[in-house]
Amino acid sequence: GAVVSQHPSRVICKSGTSVKIECRSLDFQATTMFWYRQFPKQSLMLMATSNEGSKATYEQGVEKDKFLINHASLTLSTLTVTSAHPEDSSFYICSARSAGWYNSPLHFGNGTRLTVT
Amino acid sequence: GESVGLHLPTLSVQEGDNSIINCAYSNSASDYFIWYKQESGKGPQFIIDIRSNMDKRQGQRVTVLLNKTVKHLSLQIAATQPGDSAVYFCAERGKLIFGQGTELSVKP
Repeated sequence: GAVVSQHPSRVICKSGTSVKIECRSLDFQATTMFWYRQFPKQSLMLMATSNEGSKATYEQGVEKDKFLINHASLTLSTLTVTSAHPEDSSFYICSARSAGWYNSPLHFGNGTRLTVT
Repeated sequence: GESVGLHLPTLSVQEGDNSIINCAYSNSASDYFIWYKQESGKGPQFIIDIRSNMDKRQGQRVTVLLNKTVKHLSLQIAATQPGDSAVYFCAERGKLIFGQGTELSVKP
């Protein structure tokens, strides 16, 4: 089945530094990937839609200069949390569709636990 | 705005019993729904999906029912096992709007 790999699984960084999270589709090409954020005991909140070869589309309220998304190839999207602060600490999850994306389920990575100290 | 929500935040069942997790949606134009299972510290895992031209779809130990009249869908898990303990989310295709999730706990 379709596999999405996310790296790193956990990262701790100091306030003011930037952190890059990678999302790879291992056995399929993904023209579109999605980035979510999840707080404890809460649902997934869509942050942005990452499109290969073009700019990401951000959801309302998500700062595009804060959360930089790059989708340079059909198998890789990256999310960079710039100048991280403790309130950015969260569980970040990426997902992608394998094919015929309009009518197929998303496949998710296993998430990245970001802790900003 | 659009929303997909769940009726209960937690559900506790005895091992071997059947579980029913409910979900309501607001967009009557929604035509594709997915159920996901999320174990602690992991990303959501696809369980089953259903298109709006169907009322019922069955998988292995799971059944999804869709009632378009009242904009409601449910996930039924037969013979619930400890490994089924997780948070379950329903989502609609669009922008993958997720409901709040129902945390299922299975008592041995």
